[in-house]
Amino acid sequence: DAGVIQSPRHEVTEMGQEVTLRCKPISGHNSLFWYRQTMMRGLELLIYFNNNVPIDDSGMPEDRFSAKMPNASFSTLKIQPSEPRDSAVYFCASSLNPGARDYNEQFFGPGTRLTVL
Amino acid sequence: GENVEQHPSTLSVQEGDSAVIKCTYSDSASNYFPWYKQELGKRPQLIIDIRSNVGEKKDQRIAVTLNKTAKHFSLHITETQPEDSAVYFCAASDGNKLVFGAGTILRVKS
Repeated sequence: DAGVIQSPRHEVTEMGQEVTLRCKPISGHNSLFWYRQTMMRGLELLIYFNNNVPIDDSGMPEDRFSAKMPNASFSTLKIQPSEPRDSAVYFCASSLNPGARDYNEQFFGPGTRLTVL
Repeated sequence: GENVEQHPSTLSVQEGDSAVIKCTYSDSASNYFPWYKQELGKRPQLIIDIRSNVGEKKDQRIAVTLNKTAKHFSLHITETQPEDSAVYFCAASDGNKLVFGAGTILRVKS
């Protein structure tokens, strides 16, 4: 099993540009999570999906951020327009959740290090 | 919503000593408590977890204890080794999403 795959691993862009981060969850997992990690704010959950449906996007910082999961094997996190304060490591994670109130391990991808100049 | 507090923020121990990291949570409905280890530049990885129907769980040098009444849980690492140096995160979940603590930087001095 290749684990959770994220691309790109590093992204450097200029303020105002659109950034798209990609994630492929572990095959068979039905929950997908996007996190942002910074020194100041730690590990923050941005949004999560169950069975491709967005369940909770309360962590999305503002309208510049959007996420989609068109199918069970692919998700994107888009920032448009990007700002320097968006610089962070973005992690995607997936898990198999058999039902409500039952929980299994979240597996993290390697992360995308985003730098906005 | 759930709030998880983690202490200490940094911890230095001598190789061979024990390390203890403590977390408290606010939502009594939380029933799953994992601990993740993150080495520098790497992804967080699960090292141990505990569910609310268990008070203690052990895996070699690592143990986790849970006190549901007091709403706190702890990570214990015995016989620490240099490779235990990393950031450790606790988390709590009610079955929907994980809420992470702020992390503890553990340094094991040899």
